[in-house]
Amino acid sequence: RKEVEQDPGPFNVPEGATVAFNCTYSNSASQSFFWYRQDCRKEPKLLMSVYSSGNEDGRFTAQLNRASQYISLLIRDSKLSDSATYLCVVNLILPTDSWGKLQFGAGTQVVVTP
Amino acid sequence: DTAVSQTPKYLVTQMGNDKSIKCEQNLGHDTMYWYKQDSKKFLKIMFSYNNKELIINETVPNRFSPKSPDKAHLNLHINSLELGDSAVYFCASSQEIDGTYGYTFGSGTRLTVV
Repeated sequence: RKEVEQDPGPFNVPEGATVAFNCTYSNSASQSFFWYRQDCRKEPKLLMSVYSSGNEDGRFTAQLNRASQYISLLIRDSKLSDSATYLCVVNLILPTDSWGKLQFGAGTQVVVTP
Repeated sequence: DTAVSQTPKYLVTQMGNDKSIKCEQNLGHDTMYWYKQDSKKFLKIMFSYNNKELIINETVPNRFSPKSPDKAHLNLHINSLELGDSAVYFCASSQEIDGTYGYTFGSGTRLTVV
């Protein structure tokens, strides 16, 4: 079982619509959570951290459900520029380690169409 | 000013050759990483250094040898290149901020082994 799993998509979204997708993680000891955005042939860039109480950043809303071990990302009023692959990222610090390791999902592709 | 810079951006080489990829960060971060993104798009950590000390060494063939001459540089040397080494290699750096880690990635080195 992969440590971080995501629906690869693509999610085809009309401009202005709302799209939401989830990611599940396998290790309940995971400590911090992020969504990264990766454009084609580019490096991943931090979109937002995900906090236990849920958080918003403009049109983006992230939620964390520790009991069910999933996080979600919702994009409102989609723009053409939102087309990208969204990577779910989990930071895991094991009791035997002093350092965290980022674990990446394979990404969910979002395509916003005019 | 580029925060995390990698060279070269593209590398095409024959099987059996030895090659190096260089990475430098000017963010003053203590920790640097090498990640590999294969054709299935998974980003997997390979190595991590904190202040020139190796702290994460995932299951990677010993043909891959990282070197960190100082905390601003982390290079990756690969011996006897194989077809399966073809991938995009991302360097990253991080620093703890308010209990969470901010990661910055380089733009990647696309390695093609022929």
